[in-house]
Amino acid sequence: EVQLVESGGGLVQPGGSLRLSCAASGFTFSSYWMHWVRQAPGKGLVWVSRINNDDSSTTYADSVKGRFTISRDKAKNTLYLQMNSLGAEDTAVYYCVGGSLFDYWGQGTLVTVSS
Amino acid sequence: QAGLTQPPSVSKGLRQTATLTCTGNSNNVGNQGAAWLQQHQGHPPKLLSYRNNNRPSGISERFSASRSGNTASLTITGLQPEDEADYYCSAWDSSLSAWVFGGGTKLTVL
Repeated sequence: EVQLVESGGGLVQPGGSLRLSCAASGFTFSSYWMHWVRQAPGKGLVWVSRINNDDSSTTYADSVKGRFTISRDKAKNTLYLQMNSLGAEDTAVYYCVGGSLFDYWGQGTLVTVSS
Repeated sequence: QAGLTQPPSVSKGLRQTATLTCTGNSNNVGNQGAAWLQQHQGHPPKLLSYRNNNRPSGISERFSASRSGNTASLTITGLQPEDEADYYCSAWDSSLSAWVFGGGTKLTVL
């Protein structure tokens, strides 16, 4: 059974940093493209970032470019999202998504940016 | 980044057919087609179809997708109460070098 379990969310002050993690199991994590997608409360889905299967390429939405960094540790089957210079507009549930076509989704972790 | 355009809401009766639309441009939907996702309240999204009408294992044949030009469509036949959910389309935009989503359509089954 495919499982993606996000962690690391929480309350952070504006300007602060947070690192999200996503533990993957049940599929060949090292062979899959991986994404982060977020959803602000009551709003729609917004793609954030992706990393390709061999980690040679990463892409970011304009809204997070230069502030967020996606990475993974294949030995730990874990995906990461380092988020810096957080603002209120980054408040959302962050989903870890496996597959180039959004095949597998985690349950999400809530990030709240507020003073 | 510009997104795809979906109607905010669609309402149909039980056992009827609903067709949801998703309009983009030649750089996204018109290029590689769209994926469709279903999201029930309080749950993560689930992939329904990709590249226009490829269904992942376990997805009912009642869900079918198509594309005409820059508009993708998701047709749901024999509507059931459990089909009431938010539906999102998504596509890779070659001009933006980014994935884009539609704003979502809330489907109500009457």
